[in-house]
Amino acid sequence: DVVMTQSPLSLPVTLGQPASISCRSGQGLVDSDGNTNLNWFQQRPGQSPRRLIYKVSVRDSGVPDRFSGSGTGTDFTLKISRVEAEDVGVYYCMQHTHWPHTFGQGTKLEIK
Amino acid sequence: EVQLVESGGGLVQPGGSLGLSCAASGFTFSNYWMSWIRQAPGKGLEWVAHTNEAGSDTYYVDSVKGRFTMSRDNAKNSLSLQMNSLRVEDTALYYCVGWGLVNCWGQGTLVTVSS
Repeated sequence: DVVMTQSPLSLPVTLGQPASISCRSGQGLVDSDGNTNLNWFQQRPGQSPRRLIYKVSVRDSGVPDRFSGSGTGTDFTLKISRVEAEDVGVYYCMQHTHWPHTFGQGTKLEIK
Repeated sequence: EVQLVESGGGLVQPGGSLGLSCAASGFTFSNYWMSWIRQAPGKGLEWVAHTNEAGSDTYYVDSVKGRFTMSRDNAKNSLSLQMNSLRVEDTALYYCVGWGLVNCWGQGTLVTVSS
């Protein structure tokens, strides 16, 4: 299985400040079509997960532009330019190039 | 409105069986890959099973292979997961998830395996 390793696992951030989450995959995520199938999800307390980013850097509809994704190869990053109160929750990276599709352990973002 | 509604969760003894259902609405179900993803209490997300638009290709994580069966009925816009030989470690909130023009998640249905 492709192991997805996130860091940090806990991320206290001051409101208005930037935040960054790293995700490293155990092997490359480029598929036979040349796509890199790396997604980011947000799970707010008590809610179902919601996809924020797909194919490394494409924001889903309705996702604020303060969220951005980047990376290549096996190293990927989710950045929040200015953290707001509604961003509190757990963030997961996920790959769907290799079966079984796998998630990172999750990064818990909280307000300092 | 895009909506997925799971049902069928509950308390079952180890070794028992349970069937989950997912009703889809607000989108063209037959155009979507569908998955079951679970989350044990206080834990992260784990992909359980995944099927293509027609239901002709289905994939299972090793820990459920041979015990769980996923199927879909595109005429009824529904997805199901038959779970047999349940184990304590199958205890989780099970989400029905759709992958297509949008990514949609249900609210989850809780399965508790305990004696």
